[in-house]
Amino acid sequence: AQSVTQLGSHVSVSEGALVLLRCNYSSSVPPYLFWYVQYPNQGLQLLLKYTSAATLVKGINGFEAEFKKSETSFHLTKPSAHMSDAAEYFCAVLTGTASKLTFGTGTRLQVTL
Amino acid sequence: KAGVTQTPRYLIKTRGQQVTLSCSPISGHRSVSWYQQTPGQGLQFLFEYFSETQRNKGNFPGRFSGRQFSNSRSEMNVSTLELGDSALYLCASSWTSGDYSYEQYFGPGTRLTVT
Repeated sequence: AQSVTQLGSHVSVSEGALVLLRCNYSSSVPPYLFWYVQYPNQGLQLLLKYTSAATLVKGINGFEAEFKKSETSFHLTKPSAHMSDAAEYFCAVLTGTASKLTFGTGTRLQVTL
Repeated sequence: KAGVTQTPRYLIKTRGQQVTLSCSPISGHRSVSWYQQTPGQGLQFLFEYFSETQRNKGNFPGRFSGRQFSNSRSEMNVSTLELGDSALYLCASSWTSGDYSYEQYFGPGTRLTVT
């Protein structure tokens, strides 16, 4: 079964610092991977997706992620954190042809002054 | 293009009652999926509907059911509510080509509280 693991349930960075949120996947076939962000009392917003077209994927709000097959990773990065980036971030994998997203446990990002 | 809409946004029910939640997908999207989000279990897949048929189902009891209408709008129903059903219920829609569904776009969710 396909799954994702997010390392670190809480990450705290200073404003302007690099953001790195970790996600490792487990899949026997090339996966379709996604990062979503959730602000308090809201639904999930799609940040970016990997569908095998390119290993470096750029998303919204300055975020990007790199697919590394050798490390089975799909870490999310942003060069410079902003206060508005404070939210919970979820990595997810699409299960085959089914419309079933399997989510990681989420990482709460805190941005401090 | 309007996003996914869910109604109601907040709901308070009593144990033993039933509840119906509604979801309107993005125009042109024919696949609608439902997820339950709780602090303890995280985000869990409930079921997916495509062309008025349930195509996939998660590991939830039969008290959880859903349906999809010809205009792709979907409803989910929970009967005989339990305290543990308190959660944020999220609906997502996606464009589908054959068996493949593309990225899912989520609505704001319905916050259900069971007392």
